[in-house]
Order: sequence, then C-alpha cells, then structure tokens
Amino acid sequence: KQEVTQIPAALSVPEGENLVLNCSFTDSAIYNLQWFRQDPGKGLTSLLLIQSSQREQTSGRLNASLDKSSGRSTLYIAASQPGDSATYLCAVIYNQGGKLIFGQGTELSVKP
Amino acid sequence: KAGVTQTPRYLIKTRGQQVTLSCSPISGHRSVSWYQQTPGQGLQFLFEYFSETQRNKGNFPGRFSGRQFSNSRSEMNVSTLELGDSALYLCASSLAGRGVRGYTFGSGTRLTVV
Repeated sequence: KQEVTQIPAALSVPEGENLVLNCSFTDSAIYNLQWFRQDPGKGLTSLLLIQSSQREQTSGRLNASLDKSSGRSTLYIAASQPGDSATYLCAVIYNQGGKLIFGQGTELSVKP
Repeated sequence: KAGVTQTPRYLIKTRGQQVTLSCSPISGHRSVSWYQQTPGQGLQFLFEYFSETQRNKGNFPGRFSGRQFSNSRSEMNVSTLELGDSALYLCASSLAGRGVRGYTFGSGTRLTVV
C-alpha cells in the first residue's frame, strides 16, 4: 500500500529558528513530490515541486530535498516567521497513477 | 493569470439532497482532480478528469460522480447526501495530468450536511 507519513504532527517554535519537516513514503517509484501549505479553512498553496530525477529545490527561505532510495523528503524553513504558521502537507505522485497521495500534515506554529 | 476557481465557497444541505460543485481550472490546463478533506481522513482523492474523460477514480461510493466539459471546467455531484459527506472539497488543476508541472489547488467548497 502506498502511504505517506509526516513527522512531527505538530511543531511549535520561537520566531527566527531554522526547522525541518519530514515526509516519508513507502514506495520509491515516485513520479514527483510536492510540498503544500494550508492556512486554516483555506485551499492548498504549492510551495515546491521536486521531480523524481531531482535531489532538491529551493524557493526563498524554503529548501526541499528528495531521497528516493530511502523514501524520504525534508522541507527546511530558514529563519522562521509568525507568518509561516500553517499546516504543511507533503504529497507524492506515483509513476502508475495520476493522483496525489497526501501525508497527514505538520501543523506549524511560530511564536513571536 | 487566473487561478483555479471553485464555486460556491460554502454550501449547507440537508441529508438526502444532492449537490453540484464547480471547478474552473487554470487556462490551458486540461486535467482536473477532486479531493475530499476531513479532519479524520485528511485529503483523499476522488477522481481525475483529462480531456473530458475520467482517468482515475478513488475509493468512494457511486454517489460521488463528476464530469468535465470541453472547456476543461469540471463539476462534481454528490447524491443522497449523508452527514459524513460534510467536508472541504478541493479541486486541483494540472497542465497535462500526472502533475507534470505540479498541481494548483482552488480555495475549496465547504459543504455542511445537516
């Protein structure tokens, strides 16, 4: 069964900290992996897309890495800010399907 | 460039009724997918349409159906509503399916069944 797991489920940090969110997947035959952000009651905002042939992607203070062999991806957030508070979701697309398989998310709270 | 548009934003329906949700993808995108989000189950895939054809279907009962029009706009229908259908329904748009360049989501439709 293809599953995606995110650890931790919730995280609270003081402003300015660098932090790492983890995502693991059971099947290494992925097509690509996408990180999203979701604010309460809102839709999903795409943060980074990593193709299966890539090892990492960067956008501003965000860096996402992908290790297919170990079935892991990490999202690194540098110098966290209160505005980063949201739920972060990892989603995988497998080669044989056209659907996103989501983790349960990490709820991040950045305290001023 | 307009994003993914979902209408309506909020709906309240009574058990047993049916409901239709609409999604307009990004201009030029031909793939539209639907997801259900609930606190208990998280985000679950409903179905995907590409060029008016359903290509993938999730594990939901037949009460959930959809279609895609020639302009790529998609509708999702839920018949005989149950309390458990209360959820945020999200639509995702992709250039060519399989998320070749990733997926872009709409703001969702919040459905409450009473």
